[in-house]
Amino acid sequence: LAKTTQPISMDSYEGQEVNITCSHNNIATNDYITWYQQFPSQGPRFIIQGYKTKVTNEVASLFIPADRKSSTLSLPRVSLSDTAVYYCLVGSSSGSGYSSASKIIFGSGTRLSIRP
Amino acid sequence: NAGVTQTPKFQVLKTGQSMTLQCAQDMNHNSMYWYRQDPGMGLRLIYYSASEGTTDKGEVPNGYNVSRLNKREFSLRLESAAPSQTSVYFCASSDPRVEGNYGYTFGSGTRLTVV
Repeated sequence: LAKTTQPISMDSYEGQEVNITCSHNNIATNDYITWYQQFPSQGPRFIIQGYKTKVTNEVASLFIPADRKSSTLSLPRVSLSDTAVYYCLVGSSSGSGYSSASKIIFGSGTRLSIRP
Repeated sequence: NAGVTQTPKFQVLKTGQSMTLQCAQDMNHNSMYWYRQDPGMGLRLIYYSASEGTTDKGEVPNGYNVSRLNKREFSLRLESAAPSQTSVYFCASSDPRVEGNYGYTFGSGTRLTVV
């Protein structure tokens, strides 16, 4: 499983765009890059996933360069409610059968604090 | 509502006591997981079950046992609780037939304190 490195913490202000970068130098060919968000006292929840280039959904954008050794989660116009821990995960499920499992390892994440 | 249900939500144990954390999912997922999260830390995988009838160790399995009772239920047992096991425990499930990692759904957690 590819190891990821991301900043321990970041601060920003309401209305700003926040970019959190994750390094994954040992990413494998079939690995996906996935970001999860965790609020205090809750389990993580899925934000966005990508394999290459750019992915956008209603919550965030994910930018992945051609070499895929890093990725950047972009949160547009953050609000106080975006204060959370963000985890970058790299891995894959086989997608090939009932006996397979994707064993995802979480790092320490990035603690994002949004100020008024 | 579909999802992962964990019981209990809170528990206080004395050192040496035993207990079982329960987890059930109704999404027909094949794989289930137990994680622990210590204050200010990320999640660490304790055990996982790729499918009904199979279980495997994760990063920190010592002091725990698991049972995949059926496809829906995956329990975590502490045979002799220690203060070092004070943590928040999360159960998760996923469908490995889904490409990538976005198929994970987490429960709301069990906050365990061992005194």
